[in-house]
Amino acid sequence: DTAVSQTPKYLVTQMGNDKSIKCEQNLGHDTMYWYKQDSKKFLKIMFSYNNKELIINETVPNRFSPKSPDKAHLNLHINSLELGDSAVYFCASSPTSVRNSPLHFGNGTRLTVT
Amino acid sequence: GNSVTQMEGPVTLSEEAFLTINCTYTATGYPSLFWYVQYPGEGLQLLLKATKADDKGSNKGFEATYRKETTSFHLEKGSVQVSDSAVYFCALGGSGNTGKLIFGQGTTLQVKP
Repeated sequence: DTAVSQTPKYLVTQMGNDKSIKCEQNLGHDTMYWYKQDSKKFLKIMFSYNNKELIINETVPNRFSPKSPDKAHLNLHINSLELGDSAVYFCASSPTSVRNSPLHFGNGTRLTVT
Repeated sequence: GNSVTQMEGPVTLSEEAFLTINCTYTATGYPSLFWYVQYPGEGLQLLLKATKADDKGSNKGFEATYRKETTSFHLEKGSVQVSDSAVYFCALGGSGNTGKLIFGQGTTLQVKP
């Protein structure tokens, strides 16, 4: 009955590879997000989708491409992985119909690029 | 632009000690303020929130008051437990409904028995 689930939990890959991270939420929320947490624990938003439409796209290299097939899923595909992409990536969701509603986070995907 | 600044960690306390983690913000408008907690190996969980000036958020013995005059939202707990060891994040929400949060850099708390 996990609310926001991400797969995989760990991802180790080499530079230059392409990889995907998947996220699903069963909370009925209409907005989903990707956040990146660096080695110093700093969190920064990357993307946000509302009802499958992109509404926030921060300054992120275009090697990162989010895709939302429906409002319960938000995947993140990364092309040509670089060492600096190593981080923990968190998916989150919230109901935008409820003002100031908190975000619900998944447990993260730890990406290590070697 | 909007930003959040938290006190540097790590903070190390003995069990039953008093905790304060400072958080100040810079923002236009009237943002909501949040504290999230991250236990090892897990995602962030909402700890408490406040949506307007002078609001006090509280949960699990933690409290924080939205102080507009000092642009602060300091987290306090009267008596910490070993199980409170985690990373604590102060966050600023937009006045709109995008859900976008701006996080502080996080403060690691370690409580020793």
